[in-house]
Amino acid sequence: NAGVMQNPRHLVRRRGQEARLRCSPMKGHSHVYWYRQLPEEGLKFMVYLQKENIIDESGMPKERFSAEFPKEGPSILRIQQVVRGDSAAYFCASSPGGYLTEAFFGQGTRLTVV
Amino acid sequence: RKEVEQDPGPFNVPEGATVAFNCTYSNSASQSFFWYRQDCRKEPKLLMSVYSSGNEDGRFTAQLNRASQYISLLIRDSKLSDSATYLCVVGPGSARQLTFGSGTQLTVLP
Repeated sequence: NAGVMQNPRHLVRRRGQEARLRCSPMKGHSHVYWYRQLPEEGLKFMVYLQKENIIDESGMPKERFSAEFPKEGPSILRIQQVVRGDSAAYFCASSPGGYLTEAFFGQGTRLTVV
Repeated sequence: RKEVEQDPGPFNVPEGATVAFNCTYSNSASQSFFWYRQDCRKEPKLLMSVYSSGNEDGRFTAQLNRASQYISLLIRDSKLSDSATYLCVVGPGSARQLTFGSGTQLTVLP
C-alpha cells in the first residue's frame, strides 16, 4: 500500500509562471489536506478537500491559488503567476475520516520561485 | 490567540534525559489529538494519538487534560535520534480540519 505520493518533489518556476502540484492520497483515503511550510516556520493549513468537493479553503490566499480533487486522478494545487513569496514546501496529507483520524503526509513539493 | 500553541523551544537536552512538551488548544469542541514529529526538511510523521485516558508507547507518554485544554508529551531516556521538531495536532480547529501547532524543537546532545 503506497503512501501519499506527491510530485514533483522539487519545482522551479520563474516569477509569473504557473505551478501545478499533484497529490495522490493513500489507497482508501478520500480526505486530502494541503499545507504550506515557509522556511523556518510551522505548517499552515491551506485547504481541505474530499472527492469533487472543497470542504474548507479558509487557509487559501484569495487570489492566484486554487485546488481540486476530481473524481478520478490526483488532487491538484495550482498557483498562478507565482511570486518569490510562494517559495515554500507544500505538503499534502490524506486521511480516511477527516479530522477524527490521523493524517498521513506525502514527502512534499519544494517550490522555488526565481 | 493561536488555536494550538506550543513552546517553540529549542530544548537542548543530554542523552538519557527526560523532557516534556506542552500544548494548549483553544477550541473546546476539539475531539482528536495527535503528536507528530518532523525531521529537518522532511514530512511530518505521526508519533502517537492522544487519548483521554493517556497513553504510552515505549519511551513516549502522551496525556490529555480536556478541562484545561492541554496536551503533553513526555520522552524518557532521550536518544540522539529523538532530535526533531514535535508538532501538536488538534482536530477540528476553527473549521473542519486538523490544526497544527508551530512545533517544539528538540536537540538531544551526546
